[in-house]
Amino acid sequence: DAKTTQPTSMDCAEGRAANLPCNHSTISGNEYVYWYRQIHSQGPQYIIHGLKNNETNEMASLIITEDRKSSTLILPHATLRDTAVYYCIVRFLIGNQFYFGTGTSLTVIP
Amino acid sequence: GAVVSQHPSRVICKSGTSVKIECRSLDFQATTMFWYRQFPKKSLMLMATSNEGSKATYEQGVEKDKFLINHASLTLSTLTVTSAHPEDSSFYICSARVRRTRDYNEQFFGPGTRLTVL
Repeated sequence: DAKTTQPTSMDCAEGRAANLPCNHSTISGNEYVYWYRQIHSQGPQYIIHGLKNNETNEMASLIITEDRKSSTLILPHATLRDTAVYYCIVRFLIGNQFYFGTGTSLTVIP
Repeated sequence: GAVVSQHPSRVICKSGTSVKIECRSLDFQATTMFWYRQFPKKSLMLMATSNEGSKATYEQGVEKDKFLINHASLTLSTLTVTSAHPEDSSFYICSARVRRTRDYNEQFFGPGTRLTVL
């Protein structure tokens, strides 16, 4: 069962930061927040994951609220190639399956 | 990151035939692989968990006899869609799990296989 809620779609101007929210109000203490994205007709691509601290890598930043009930994925300078469906997933670190929710379709506009 | 491949990338078949899709982990061994299907403009739906050397575990509502999964080696899992019908047309995606440490594993996804049943 998907345990996350995301907006269906968002637009972002090229070069601006894209902020993608995710609600996971039933997250348990040992569950991590993962973000993947899927460009049209391709397999999902890993972006980032975190437990409770904010995380940053070369692709994005992940901001998790103190109560861990929501998080935001930030693409600092969106490009046209960032147009994709972004999935927020909660799972144990040593967990098995990923259950995908509906995701957010991000369109980066020139 | 580790690489997962799928073959074929695209297949068109006649109704009633069986189609085999391969999922390979190219540079690592995967004791566990997963199969998903995705309909147009929909999310990925987990179909089954494939464990090397044992029977696959299917999600509720997925027909075991319809979707045969074999995980005969640590680098290869196959999904066979038996007696395919047009409603089986979908995008099939596999993923492979690699255990990094005792407490952490990662999962990598293949590029997907587009199945069209005429």
